[in-house]
Amino acid sequence: GDSVTQTEGLVTLTEGLPVMLNCTYQTIYSNPFLFWYVHYLNESPRLLLKSSTDNKRTEHQGFHATLHKSSSSFHLQKSSAQLSDSALYYCAALGNTDKVVFGTGTRLQVSP
Amino acid sequence: EAAVTQSPRSKVAVTGGKVTLSCHQTNNHDYMYWYRQDTGHGLRLIHYSYVADSTEKGDIPDGYKASRPSQENFSLILELASLSQTAVYFCASSVGTGGRVFFGKGTRLTVV
Repeated sequence: GDSVTQTEGLVTLTEGLPVMLNCTYQTIYSNPFLFWYVHYLNESPRLLLKSSTDNKRTEHQGFHATLHKSSSSFHLQKSSAQLSDSALYYCAALGNTDKVVFGTGTRLQVSP
Repeated sequence: EAAVTQSPRSKVAVTGGKVTLSCHQTNNHDYMYWYRQDTGHGLRLIHYSYVADSTEKGDIPDGYKASRPSQENFSLILELASLSQTAVYFCASSVGTGGRVFFGKGTRLTVV
């Protein structure tokens, strides 16, 4: 079945440094949708980004990601981390099964 | 905005007792999910359903049952609650294609 891998469980950064959270996926479907969800403490997870077409960058709230089918990746990036970015980030994929599959999540901690 | 409502929002249950967590969505979505979140871990899929009167096992179904009596309602049942089932539980729904997942606010379950 489809799967999503997030290799980092925890990423710690100093405010102002760039953010990159890794996400790779596996699916037999040739046109998957990839997503990033953000989960702030004591809130519900919510959609942050959804992929567009291959090699096209998607942006929202200062974050961006690009679907690269050649490497099965959809890494989340931001040029400058803010304290308010501290949260749990999930990468998710929708392949051929119509069931969204989530990665295990990466906790981003931004310090002053 | 799509709505997913969970009840109760928090519950304390006794070991060995029966617990039912309820979820209601007004999104007209086909897919509904139950996830579990433990401190320091990501979302783990317990059960899901893509049509009324049918449920499927997720990644960690042991100790849980699910019921989807209608398109709008999806329940998670713990027949014999155990200490290890103390966690926050999220219900979610999604459309089959397009895949954006809408989450409820979560239910904090404490088994004592």
